[in-house]
Amino acid sequence: QQQVKQSPQSLIVQKGGISIINCAYENTAFDYFPWYQQFPGKGPALLIAIRPDVSEKKEGRFTISFNKSAKQFSLHIMDSQPGDSATYFCAARGGGYNKLIFGAGTRLAVHP
Amino acid sequence: GAGVSQSPSNKVTEKGKDVELRCDPISGHTALYWYRQSLGQGLEFLIYFQGNSAPDKSGLPSDRFSAERTGGSVSTLTIQRTQQEDSAVYLCASSPPTGKNSPLHFGNGTRLTVT
Repeated sequence: QQQVKQSPQSLIVQKGGISIINCAYENTAFDYFPWYQQFPGKGPALLIAIRPDVSEKKEGRFTISFNKSAKQFSLHIMDSQPGDSATYFCAARGGGYNKLIFGAGTRLAVHP
Repeated sequence: GAGVSQSPSNKVTEKGKDVELRCDPISGHTALYWYRQSLGQGLEFLIYFQGNSAPDKSGLPSDRFSAERTGGSVSTLTIQRTQQEDSAVYLCASSPPTGKNSPLHFGNGTRLTVT
């Protein structure tokens, strides 16, 4: 029940295209869903986060879509750029658990 | 300002040796986390410290792993009698006391290689 399942494991997108990464969870007590971005040799950094009382949050080219009934959420990167090439992690927290539970990560490559 | 600092950045050790990994959190951050990232894998929670509360050790994989946080600041993760399966990047993160959804600020990790 503590798992967060993330797909795909890797993704190749052409410059200007849309990158979509999906996550699913089981614990309905989760109430905070962030996405982290990690470049090689660096620690992950918060990219964008959402709470389940909204269905979408947009920050620049990055959008989180949240489907509470399906227990799924996704990251959309519009107009993907080579600089977006990184590993993306979804995560979830809540239900009395203070720790973030991370997905397995998606390695995104944006080709010029 | 300074971010989360971890040392060493790389550590190569022989199987069976003990290692200590250090984390200096951002000043003023009351919460501190250790995660482990194995090659191509996600981030595995190890341990969580919050202020003066008892730490959440539920993620430690075996009794060879321990961690302490002195004076509410610096933390040390110790792995005794290292095994090859301990090889991974160990990440430390801290967060401010502004609410339960405060973002985690990660260090760049310590890459541990057990030969």
